[in-house]
Amino acid sequence: ETGVTQTPRHLVMGMTNKKSLKCEQHLGHNAMYWYKQSAKKPLELMFVYNFKEQTENNSVPSRFSPECPNSSHLFLHLHTLQPEDSALYLCASSQLTGGHEQYFGPGTRLTVT
Amino acid sequence: AQSVTQPDIHITVSEGASLELRCNYSYGATPYLFWYVQSPGQGLQLLLKYFSGDTLVQGIKGFEAEFKRSQSSFNLRKPSVHWSDAAEYFCAVGAYDSSYKLIFGSGTRLLVRP
Repeated sequence: ETGVTQTPRHLVMGMTNKKSLKCEQHLGHNAMYWYKQSAKKPLELMFVYNFKEQTENNSVPSRFSPECPNSSHLFLHLHTLQPEDSALYLCASSQLTGGHEQYFGPGTRLTVT
Repeated sequence: AQSVTQPDIHITVSEGASLELRCNYSYGATPYLFWYVQSPGQGLQLLLKYFSGDTLVQGIKGFEAEFKRSQSSFNLRKPSVHWSDAAEYFCAVGAYDSSYKLIFGSGTRLLVRP
């Protein structure tokens, strides 16, 4: 595997379900990010992790719970979601030194029914 | 506050024609600037980046961008568009407050006429 991978690619869940999104980066980076991309809205940064420590939470509702067990893995735990949470969830990683360019995974298309 | 403006929501060009996508940014210091491309249902792919030095930067897929400090712009160009270039393009500026992050523009959707 190379780059940034995300699983699952597609997820349909009811509002009472609990599910998790997984992201793994194979680039040796030390920062990871979760973004939400909804139709007709700008890309929204949700969480930032530097060296496994959360450094930013952009007022994300508590029904989204991130976890970063190490610098290569990032999870987004989902529970009691709302239909408006349906979106493409993108994970990215970067190196904190140098240019900070971010590399993105293919995303998880989430539909909440 | 840092911000990025992409004034064109949609652009349509004919295959083989030249392309310029506009990007203006607001940032107090010397910016790190990026262009990304996103095909439908996919993640964002880095096209090119500007950190310092030569203000004309070359990227992948034949794209280039020019940093103009006086105009706070970082426009993306391609001399001859291919049908496979149809996608959404995002400009971003690197910014730091509580952590380092990218501030993205709202994107420009490129349509290519045969």
